[in-house]
Amino acid sequence: QVQVVQSGAEVREPGASVKLSCKASGNTFTYYYTHWVRQAPGQGLEWMGVIDPSGTTIKYAQKFQGGVTMSKDRFTTTLYMELSSLRSEDTAIYYCLIEEPQTYFFDYWGQGTLVTVSS
Amino acid sequence: QSALTQPASVSGSPGQSITISCTGTNSDVGIFNRVSWYQHHPGKVPKLIIYEVYKRPSGISDRFSGSKSGNTASLTISGLQAEDETDYYCCSNVNTGLYVFGTGTKVTVL
Repeated sequence: QVQVVQSGAEVREPGASVKLSCKASGNTFTYYYTHWVRQAPGQGLEWMGVIDPSGTTIKYAQKFQGGVTMSKDRFTTTLYMELSSLRSEDTAIYYCLIEEPQTYFFDYWGQGTLVTVSS
Repeated sequence: QSALTQPASVSGSPGQSITISCTGTNSDVGIFNRVSWYQHHPGKVPKLIIYEVYKRPSGISDRFSGSKSGNTASLTISGLQAEDETDYYCCSNVNTGLYVFGTGTKVTVL
């Protein structure tokens, strides 16, 4: 059973940046694709992007191009997502998800990280 | 990429069957059998209940079933129970390699 653990809640002022982390049990990230999804208060799930097992191919939803940077530390097998130029609308729970290669669904989710953007 | 279209709410009485639609385009739902469905209780992590249009993960009740016709996928919940009252989301792979979720449907058990 894969376990996905995300970093804790963050509070930032508008215009600031935040870097979230995600770590899975075993060598999961070596073989799996990792996605990020967010849910703003009262809103639905929103797919943000995906990073491949090697960490070299990253795809972002058009909405998040330029404001989101996903990366992978191959030595610690930790995934990161940095959000820049934060606005109040970025207040949301951010989930890290695992996709087994070529399965196209998400059966392992992290617990979520609440990011609050407020002055 | 626009979100897949789901009805905002669907309701039914205990024991009845309800169906949630998920409408996309021929670039996502219509082109692939890569539609999945997630059940999301507030405050909890979303849970996979259907993948590849109609397949159920181990441990998921057979009251949940999925289907697809053209650009529209559907989730049917049979024998509706109080515990089914929550939010449901569809998701599809897109021909660009991206993914898109549905707008979400709140199921109410009357």
